[in-house]
Amino acid sequence: EAGVAQSPRYKIIEKRQSVAFWCNPISGHATLYWYQQILGQGPKLLIQFQNNGVVDDSQLPKDRFSAERLKGVDSTLKIQPAKLEDSAVYLCASSLTAGRSTRNEQFFGPGTRLTVL
Amino acid sequence: RKEVEQDPGPFNVPEGATVAFNCTYSNSASQSFFWYRQDCRKEPKLLMSVYSSGNEDGRFTAQLNRASQYISLLIRDSKLSDSATYLCVVNRYNQGGKLIFGQGTELSVKP
Repeated sequence: EAGVAQSPRYKIIEKRQSVAFWCNPISGHATLYWYQQILGQGPKLLIQFQNNGVVDDSQLPKDRFSAERLKGVDSTLKIQPAKLEDSAVYLCASSLTAGRSTRNEQFFGPGTRLTVL
Repeated sequence: RKEVEQDPGPFNVPEGATVAFNCTYSNSASQSFFWYRQDCRKEPKLLMSVYSSGNEDGRFTAQLNRASQYISLLIRDSKLSDSATYLCVVNRYNQGGKLIFGQGTELSVKP
């Protein structure tokens, strides 16, 4: 079974530039998550989608970050404009469902490592 | 105070050693608990779920104490391949399955 796909794997940009990340979840997974992992810390949830609707975006810096999942499958996360403190690994994860279920195990993609100079 | 706190690392142990990781969580509404493993420059992967009765998977034993809001992971007979960062994770169903991660504890097993 194919896992969660992400691209690009690495990105280097200068501050104030824009960047976009792409995620393709495991086929059939309704729930998709974007996490930010800063070096030395655990992943932090940015946004969660259930199909194409947003479930939780409470920790998404909405002045510069945006995300969409238009057809309930692929998702993109955008940063505009980037700041130095956005340097991190951006992880996408998916699960069959969410909440109280044995089917809510989250599977992570390999991540996109962003460096902002 | 962070919602999930773990022992600061790194832990450097010889092969064959037994090592224990501790984790505390602050929100009593947390409902399910996990240990994830993250290899260097890789994504996190589920190691095991943690149940109130305690559970074991080979050399790994996880314990949960809801009254103390404390989770532990014990690794017996450490192998070189156990070297990784171990992440303590809690989940609240009423928040749509959101996972809250601790900062991780790095383990390095030496020959």
